[in-house]
Amino acid sequence: KAGVTQTPRYLIKTRGQQVTLSCSPISGHRSVSWYQQTPGQGLQFLFEYFSETQRNKGNFPGRFSGRQFSNSRSEMNVSTLELGDSALYLCASSLSARSLETQYFGPGTRLLVL
Amino acid sequence: GENVEQHPSTLSVQEGDSAVIKCTYSDSASNYFPWYKQELGKGPQLIIDIRSNVGEKKDQRIAVTLNKTAKHFSLHITETQPEDSAVYFCAAILPSGSARQLTFGSGTQLTVLP
Repeated sequence: KAGVTQTPRYLIKTRGQQVTLSCSPISGHRSVSWYQQTPGQGLQFLFEYFSETQRNKGNFPGRFSGRQFSNSRSEMNVSTLELGDSALYLCASSLSARSLETQYFGPGTRLLVL
Repeated sequence: GENVEQHPSTLSVQEGDSAVIKCTYSDSASNYFPWYKQELGKGPQLIIDIRSNVGEKKDQRIAVTLNKTAKHFSLHITETQPEDSAVYFCAAILPSGSARQLTFGSGTQLTVLP
């Protein structure tokens, strides 16, 4: 089975721009979660989608949004980029959003904001 | 919400020695504790996990122990090899209605010296 794929792998943007990141989960997985990873803050939960519905949201400003499509693929959008948004954005998929369900991570999208 | 503390932040061991990484969590309702290994330029990879109804789990050279009373869990790697060098993250999963909250530890940089 193919793993979680994320596109693009690298991205350079300037302050004020917006960006959209894409995640394709493992086949059959219906839950997709997004995380931001930075050296200072570590791995922080952004949001989780299951069956096209946002199930949970972390403590991030409204500039961070996401959606999930009927084929379980997910996109994450960040508007009005700030320098502090530079990070590795990770997507993880699981069969469901149940707490005991294992999450499998993709390779991430590294975003640099100049 | 949940809070996870992970120690140590860095750990160096000689090849063949054992390595132990410890995590504590704050919410006794957390019921699932995965461990991830992250190599440079890659996303976190699940290496072992434990449910709250189990005290210990082993997979070849890797084992995890859980003490629910004390709210701590540990990763044990025996007979370490240079390829074990990576950053290791613990996590605690807290059921939240029909969703879940995932909180990660701050990570441990493990270096295995040949």
